[in-house]
Amino acid sequence: DTGVSQDPRHKITKRGQNVTFRCDPISEHNRLYWYRQTLGQGPEFLTYFQNEAQLEKSRLLSDRFSAERPKGSFSTLEIQRTEQGDSAMYLCASSLAGATGNQPQHFGDGTRLSIL
Amino acid sequence: AQKVTQAQTEISVVEKEDVTLDCVYETRDTTYYLFWYKQPPSGELVFLIRRNSFDEQNEISGRYSWNFQKSTSSFNFTITASQVVDSAVYFCALLPYSGAGSYQLTFGKGTKLSVIP
Repeated sequence: DTGVSQDPRHKITKRGQNVTFRCDPISEHNRLYWYRQTLGQGPEFLTYFQNEAQLEKSRLLSDRFSAERPKGSFSTLEIQRTEQGDSAMYLCASSLAGATGNQPQHFGDGTRLSIL
Repeated sequence: AQKVTQAQTEISVVEKEDVTLDCVYETRDTTYYLFWYKQPPSGELVFLIRRNSFDEQNEISGRYSWNFQKSTSSFNFTITASQVVDSAVYFCALLPYSGAGSYQLTFGKGTKLSVIP
């Protein structure tokens, strides 16, 4: 059972550039989540997919952010026109579908984004 | 609104000491789930435990134990006979079940535990 895989592990880019991250969930998990974690803080929810449908988005997900999960397997998170404040660790998690959402979310290693 | 408070920002203990990490939560939901995750320096969040709001039995797993008290909205985590490998940031998290299909975890700010050899 391979865990959640995220690529790349680190991304350094200049302000104003676009970046895209990829997440491959645990294979039998149909729910996929994106979180953002800044230094000294806990992860903050960004968005969630069940299969290919994006069912929930946080107000943190501005218009510059877009997430997709086209075939219900891997997901991408794109940030357009990056800003200094986007510097953070972007975490992906996946879980099985439970009737009450109590299935634990399993996290990847994250992608650390640094904006110059 | 949901809120998780981990009042201890950093804790240092000497190896083999016991240590308790505090977690206090706020929610209006009557059904909810509580979690603890460990984040070692490598960065990956590791799931440790899940409890639901209608099961207040304490749980023990090896050197780890959890004390859930609904009356005080607390879900504390104790490590017995701490080891250097326990050094990490520990997060408490809340998932309310409102029936509306929201699955976003609300995390506390974490407690950084350093175990000194």
